[in-house]
Amino acid sequence: GNSVTQMEGPVTLSEEAFLTINCTYTATGYPSLFWYVQYPGEGLQLLLKATKADDKGSNKGFEATYRKETTSFHLEKGSVQVSDSAVYFCALSDKAAGNKLTFGGGTRVLVKP
Amino acid sequence: DTEVTQTPKHLVMGMTNKKSLKCEQHMGHRAMYWYKQKAKKPPELMFVYSYEKLSINESVPSRFSPECPNSSLLNLHLHALQPEDSALYLCASSHVVRDTTNSPLHFGNGTRLTVT
Repeated sequence: GNSVTQMEGPVTLSEEAFLTINCTYTATGYPSLFWYVQYPGEGLQLLLKATKADDKGSNKGFEATYRKETTSFHLEKGSVQVSDSAVYFCALSDKAAGNKLTFGGGTRVLVKP
Repeated sequence: DTEVTQTPKHLVMGMTNKKSLKCEQHMGHRAMYWYKQKAKKPPELMFVYSYEKLSINESVPSRFSPECPNSSLLNLHLHALQPEDSALYLCASSHVVRDTTNSPLHFGNGTRLTVT
């Protein structure tokens, strides 16, 4: 079956620090990969996506590259802000599984001023 | 602002009550989903509707009853819930996967349910 593993948090950073959240996956098919972000008291928002190997998804200064050889999709941001404090979920969907999303456990990020 | 609207934002109900959660989207999506999220956990899939027909039920207890009256609306009817059903209930929508090979889910902000 499909699974997603991401680093456990919480991750505590100072403003303007570099952020990386590791994500690796196993999938039976050729999945699409996503990062979702959940701000306090809200639902999940799509942050970025990649649909094939070597694709780079980017949004709001965040980037992640689909690495098929290492089955990874690590999230990075070069300079975080307090407003980036949230829970980040790595996820995959596999067309063979009917577009069901498989989530990682989530990583809480806290950015301090 | 989210394009998937859920009401109510908060709901407190007793174990003998009957209540409904509502979800609406106007993005032309023909797949709609209910997820349950416990604190500090990822969302868990409950139901999927595709073209207004139930396509996936993840072995959810019958005290949860979904309904999709049209392509824009999704309801979740609740009856005789237990305190452990307290959670954030998230609705999501997307294009049906056979219409496109890549269709991210768009989530609402959820209904925070407390069962007393």
